[in-house]
Amino acid sequence: KAGVTQTPRYLIKTRGQQVTLSCSPISGHRSVSWYQQTPGQGLQFLFEYFSETQRNKGNFPGRFSGRQFSNSRSEMNVSTLELGDSALYLCASSDRGGGYGYTFGSGTRLTVV
Amino acid sequence: QQQVKQSPQSLIVQKGGISIINCAYENTAFDYFPWYQQFPGKGPALLIAIRPDVSEKKEGRFTISFNKSAKQFSLHIMDSQPGDSATYFCAASKGGGADGLTFGKGTHLIIQP
Repeated sequence: KAGVTQTPRYLIKTRGQQVTLSCSPISGHRSVSWYQQTPGQGLQFLFEYFSETQRNKGNFPGRFSGRQFSNSRSEMNVSTLELGDSALYLCASSDRGGGYGYTFGSGTRLTVV
Repeated sequence: QQQVKQSPQSLIVQKGGISIINCAYENTAFDYFPWYQQFPGKGPALLIAIRPDVSEKKEGRFTISFNKSAKQFSLHIMDSQPGDSATYFCAASKGGGADGLTFGKGTHLIIQP
């Protein structure tokens, strides 16, 4: 069974630009969640999608958005990038959502310069 | 407000010893408590999880102890091996995971051969 696939693995962007990250969940999983991991703040919940609907959103500004497609693949977008957005962005999939039984991908390392 | 406090930040244990990592939570609505293991360059991987109606759960060398009245839970790694060297995160979620998982700050564990 293939795991959670995140692309790209690494990104370097300039302040003010926007970026789109992609996540392909485990086959059959309808829930995709996104987390931001930084040395200072640790792992923080961004949002969760279940069957194409955003169910929950963490305490992040509106510059952070996402969507889920009918095949459960998900994308997250960050607009008007700031230096503080530099982080490892992790996607997790599960069959029931709500934090239960997550399988994480290896993440996308975003560096904003 | 940090809702899940994890200690210690770093831990060095001799091969064959017992590694113990502790977490304390504040929100009594939390009802699911997983532990994750993360190796460099990888996403977190679910190790073991517990619900508050159980005081202890064991899977192989990994045991969670849960104290509902003290709002504390801990991970014990028996017969610790160098391959266990990683960062460990405790987490908690509530009522269907309305806010995703709330993670502790992590413990960097080193097992010395």
